[in-house]
Amino acid sequence: KNQVEQSPQSLIILEGKNCTLQCNYTVSPFSNLRWYKQDTGRGPVSLTIMTFSENTKSNGRYTATLDADTKQSSLHITASQLSDSASYICVVMLYSGGGADGLTFGKGTHLIIQP
Amino acid sequence: DAGVIQSPRHEVTEMGQEVTLRCKPISGHNSLFWYRQTMMRGLELLIYFNNNVPIDDSGMPEDRFSAKMPNASFSTLKIQPSEPRDSAVYFCASSGRGVNEKLFFGSGTQLSVL
Repeated sequence: KNQVEQSPQSLIILEGKNCTLQCNYTVSPFSNLRWYKQDTGRGPVSLTIMTFSENTKSNGRYTATLDADTKQSSLHITASQLSDSASYICVVMLYSGGGADGLTFGKGTHLIIQP
Repeated sequence: DAGVIQSPRHEVTEMGQEVTLRCKPISGHNSLFWYRQTMMRGLELLIYFNNNVPIDDSGMPEDRFSAKMPNASFSTLKIQPSEPRDSAVYFCASSGRGVNEKLFFGSGTQLSVL
Protein backbone atom coordinates (compact mmCIF):
# COMPACT_ATOMS: atom_id res chain seq x y z
CA LYS A 1 0.00 0.00 0.00
CA ASN A 2 1.31 3.44 -0.93
CA GLN A 3 2.00 5.43 2.23
CA VAL A 4 3.72 8.63 3.31
CA GLU A 5 4.82 8.94 6.92
CA GLN A 6 5.99 12.21 8.42
CA SER A 7 7.87 12.94 11.63
CA PRO A 8 7.68 14.51 14.04
CA GLN A 9 3.91 15.07 14.29
CA SER A 10 4.56 18.42 15.92
CA LEU A 11 7.57 20.56 16.72
CA ILE A 12 8.18 23.72 18.70
CA ILE A 13 11.35 25.75 18.19
CA LEU A 14 12.57 29.24 19.02
CA GLU A 15 12.64 31.95 16.40
CA GLY A 16 15.96 32.04 14.57
CA LYS A 17 16.70 28.35 15.06
CA ASN A 18 16.94 25.76 12.29
CA CYS A 19 14.84 22.61 12.06
CA THR A 20 14.45 19.53 9.88
CA LEU A 21 11.25 17.69 9.09
CA GLN A 22 11.27 14.10 7.88
CA CYS A 23 9.24 12.17 5.31
CA ASN A 24 9.40 8.44 4.54
CA TYR A 25 7.39 6.95 1.73
CA THR A 26 6.55 3.61 0.18
CA VAL A 27 4.95 4.94 -3.01
CA SER A 28 6.02 3.00 -6.09
CA PRO A 29 6.61 3.60 -8.91
CA PHE A 30 7.77 7.05 -7.87
CA SER A 31 7.33 10.16 -9.99
CA ASN A 32 8.05 13.15 -7.77
CA LEU A 33 7.96 14.35 -4.18
CA ARG A 34 6.44 17.63 -3.08
CA TRP A 35 6.49 19.67 0.10
CA TYR A 36 3.58 21.96 0.89
CA LYS A 37 3.13 24.59 3.59
CA GLN A 38 -0.34 25.03 5.04
CA ASP A 39 -1.07 28.06 7.19
CA THR A 40 -3.97 27.83 9.63
CA GLY A 41 -7.26 28.38 7.82
CA ARG A 42 -5.67 28.34 4.38
CA GLY A 43 -5.07 25.82 1.62
CA PRO A 44 -1.66 24.16 1.14
CA VAL A 45 0.90 26.07 -0.90
CA SER A 46 3.63 24.35 -2.90
CA LEU A 47 7.20 24.83 -1.63
CA THR A 48 9.21 22.38 -3.74
CA ILE A 49 8.79 19.59 -6.28
CA MET A 50 11.63 17.08 -6.75
CA THR A 51 11.86 14.39 -9.38
CA PHE A 52 13.71 11.09 -9.09
CA SER A 53 16.98 12.59 -10.35
CA GLU A 54 17.03 15.59 -7.99
CA ASN A 55 18.72 15.29 -4.61
CA THR A 56 18.07 18.77 -3.31
CA LYS A 57 15.97 21.80 -4.08
CA SER A 58 15.78 25.14 -2.34
CA ASN A 59 13.10 27.79 -2.04
CA GLY A 60 14.48 30.68 0.01
CA ARG A 61 15.10 29.45 3.55
CA TYR A 62 13.52 26.09 2.73
CA THR A 63 15.72 23.26 1.43
CA ALA A 64 14.31 19.88 0.55
CA THR A 65 16.42 16.77 0.07
CA LEU A 66 15.51 13.47 -1.51
CA ASP A 67 17.11 10.02 -1.26
CA ALA A 68 15.18 7.87 -3.71
CA ASP A 69 17.14 4.77 -2.71
CA THR A 70 16.04 4.89 0.91
CA LYS A 71 12.73 6.55 0.04
CA GLN A 72 13.34 9.42 2.42
CA SER A 73 13.02 13.17 2.15
CA SER A 74 13.67 16.01 4.52
CA LEU A 75 12.69 19.67 4.64
CA HIS A 76 15.21 21.94 6.34
CA ILE A 77 14.17 25.39 7.49
CA THR A 78 16.99 27.84 8.16
CA ALA A 79 16.80 30.80 10.54
CA SER A 80 13.15 30.22 11.35
CA GLN A 81 10.70 33.11 11.47
CA LEU A 82 7.34 33.44 13.20
CA SER A 83 5.67 33.21 9.78
CA ASP A 84 7.06 29.69 9.38
CA SER A 85 4.50 28.47 11.93
CA ALA A 86 2.33 26.14 9.86
CA SER A 87 1.76 22.53 8.91
CA TYR A 88 4.21 21.06 6.41
CA ILE A 89 2.86 18.29 4.24
CA CYS A 90 4.93 15.79 2.28
CA VAL A 91 3.24 14.53 -0.89
CA VAL A 92 4.47 11.79 -3.19
CA MET A 93 3.27 11.36 -6.73
CA LEU A 94 2.76 7.93 -8.20
CA TYR A 95 4.10 7.53 -11.70
CA SER A 96 1.08 7.11 -13.93
CA GLY A 97 2.08 9.09 -16.97
CA GLY A 98 -0.59 11.58 -16.06
CA GLY A 99 -0.96 14.69 -14.01
CA ALA A 100 -1.45 15.40 -10.34
CA ASP A 101 -3.91 12.56 -9.81
CA GLY A 102 -1.67 9.94 -8.24
CA LEU A 103 -0.77 11.93 -5.12
CA THR A 104 -0.37 10.35 -1.68
CA PHE A 105 -0.39 12.85 1.18
CA GLY A 106 1.33 12.62 4.55
CA LYS A 107 -0.56 13.86 7.60
CA GLY A 108 1.86 16.72 8.07
CA THR A 109 4.18 18.11 10.72
CA HIS A 110 2.74 20.96 12.78
CA LEU A 111 5.52 23.49 13.36
CA ILE A 112 5.29 26.26 15.93
CA ILE A 113 7.90 29.01 16.07
CA GLN A 114 8.08 30.74 19.43
CA PRO A 115 9.48 34.28 19.84
CA ASP B 1 -4.85 35.48 -11.49
CA ALA B 2 -6.91 35.35 -8.29
CA GLY B 3 -6.06 31.71 -7.70
CA VAL B 4 -8.56 28.96 -6.97
CA ILE B 5 -11.71 30.50 -5.53
CA GLN B 6 -14.00 28.56 -3.24
CA SER B 7 -17.30 29.50 -1.67
CA PRO B 8 -18.60 29.65 0.93
CA ARG B 9 -15.65 29.90 3.33
CA HIS B 10 -17.75 28.60 6.18
CA GLU B 11 -20.97 26.60 6.16
CA VAL B 12 -22.96 25.56 9.20
CA THR B 13 -25.98 23.38 8.56
CA GLU B 14 -28.22 20.90 10.26
CA MET B 15 -28.12 17.18 9.69
CA GLY B 16 -30.23 16.16 6.71
CA GLN B 17 -29.85 19.44 4.84
CA GLU B 18 -28.33 19.72 1.38
CA VAL B 19 -24.93 21.41 1.14
CA THR B 20 -23.39 22.77 -2.06
CA LEU B 21 -19.74 23.81 -2.22
CA ARG B 22 -18.46 25.82 -5.17
CA CYS B 23 -15.11 26.17 -6.89
CA LYS B 24 -13.63 28.30 -9.65
CA PRO B 25 -10.29 26.88 -10.84
CA ILE B 26 -7.38 28.89 -12.21
CA SER B 27 -7.98 29.83 -15.80
CA GLY B 28 -6.17 27.50 -18.20
CA HIS B 29 -5.90 24.62 -15.75
CA ASN B 30 -7.52 21.48 -17.10
CA SER B 31 -7.44 19.31 -13.95
CA LEU B 32 -9.66 19.98 -10.94
CA PHE B 33 -9.64 18.12 -7.65
CA TRP B 34 -11.88 17.99 -4.59
CA TYR B 35 -10.22 17.06 -1.27
CA ARG B 36 -11.48 16.65 2.27
CA GLN B 37 -9.23 17.35 5.25
CA THR B 38 -9.73 16.17 8.82
CA MET B 39 -7.35 15.97 11.76
CA MET B 40 -7.61 12.20 11.87
CA ARG B 41 -7.21 11.37 8.18
CA GLY B 42 -5.39 14.38 6.73
CA LEU B 43 -6.08 15.26 3.09
CA GLU B 44 -8.15 12.74 1.12
CA LEU B 45 -8.92 12.93 -2.58
CA LEU B 46 -12.66 12.74 -3.22
CA ILE B 47 -12.84 13.15 -6.99
CA TYR B 48 -10.95 14.73 -9.85
CA PHE B 49 -11.83 15.99 -13.31
CA ASN B 50 -9.74 16.29 -16.46
CA ASN B 51 -11.13 18.65 -19.08
CA ASN B 52 -14.44 18.76 -17.18
CA VAL B 53 -14.82 14.96 -17.26
CA PRO B 54 -14.84 13.03 -13.94
CA ILE B 55 -11.92 10.59 -14.05
CA ASP B 56 -11.81 9.00 -10.61
CA ASP B 57 -14.56 9.28 -8.00
CA SER B 58 -13.46 6.30 -5.93
CA GLY B 59 -12.74 8.62 -3.02
CA MET B 60 -16.33 9.83 -2.77
CA PRO B 61 -17.43 8.31 0.53
CA GLU B 62 -21.08 7.59 -0.30
CA ASP B 63 -23.86 8.21 -2.77
CA ARG B 64 -24.75 11.23 -0.68
CA PHE B 65 -21.77 12.96 -2.30
CA SER B 66 -21.88 14.14 -5.90
CA ALA B 67 -19.71 16.49 -7.95
CA LYS B 68 -20.19 18.24 -11.26
CA MET B 69 -18.09 20.35 -13.58
CA PRO B 70 -20.43 21.86 -16.18
CA ASN B 71 -17.65 23.98 -17.72
CA ALA B 72 -13.95 24.71 -17.40
CA SER B 73 -14.45 27.51 -14.90
CA PHE B 74 -16.87 26.05 -12.37
CA SER B 75 -17.38 22.95 -10.24
CA THR B 76 -19.68 21.98 -7.40
CA LEU B 77 -19.54 19.38 -4.66
CA LYS B 78 -22.93 18.50 -3.21
CA ILE B 79 -23.78 16.54 -0.08
CA GLN B 80 -27.38 15.42 0.27
CA PRO B 81 -28.39 14.65 2.95
CA SER B 82 -25.56 15.91 5.13
CA GLU B 83 -24.48 14.12 8.31
CA PRO B 84 -22.36 15.26 11.29
CA ARG B 85 -19.49 13.01 10.17
CA ASP B 86 -19.23 15.08 7.00
CA SER B 87 -17.89 17.96 9.08
CA ALA B 88 -14.44 18.79 7.67
CA VAL B 89 -12.59 21.29 5.52
CA TYR B 90 -13.22 20.75 1.83
CA PHE B 91 -10.56 21.96 -0.60
CA CYS B 92 -10.72 22.46 -4.32
CA ALA B 93 -7.43 22.43 -6.26
CA SER B 94 -6.46 22.81 -9.89
CA SER B 95 -3.41 22.12 -12.02
CA GLY B 96 -2.16 21.77 -15.56
CA ARG B 97 -1.83 18.29 -16.97
CA GLY B 98 1.95 17.75 -16.82
CA VAL B 99 3.55 15.29 -14.39
CA ASN B 100 5.45 18.02 -12.55
CA GLU B 101 2.68 20.56 -12.55
CA LYS B 102 2.05 22.37 -9.27
CA LEU B 103 -1.25 21.83 -7.56
CA PHE B 104 -2.91 25.08 -6.49
CA PHE B 105 -5.40 24.91 -3.63
CA GLY B 106 -8.25 27.20 -2.75
CA SER B 107 -8.74 28.47 0.79
CA GLY B 108 -11.23 25.74 1.57
CA THR B 109 -14.78 25.54 2.92
CA GLN B 110 -15.10 24.77 6.63
CA LEU B 111 -18.25 22.63 6.88
CA SER B 112 -19.96 21.99 10.19
CA VAL B 113 -22.99 19.69 10.22
CA LEU B 114 -24.87 19.87 13.51
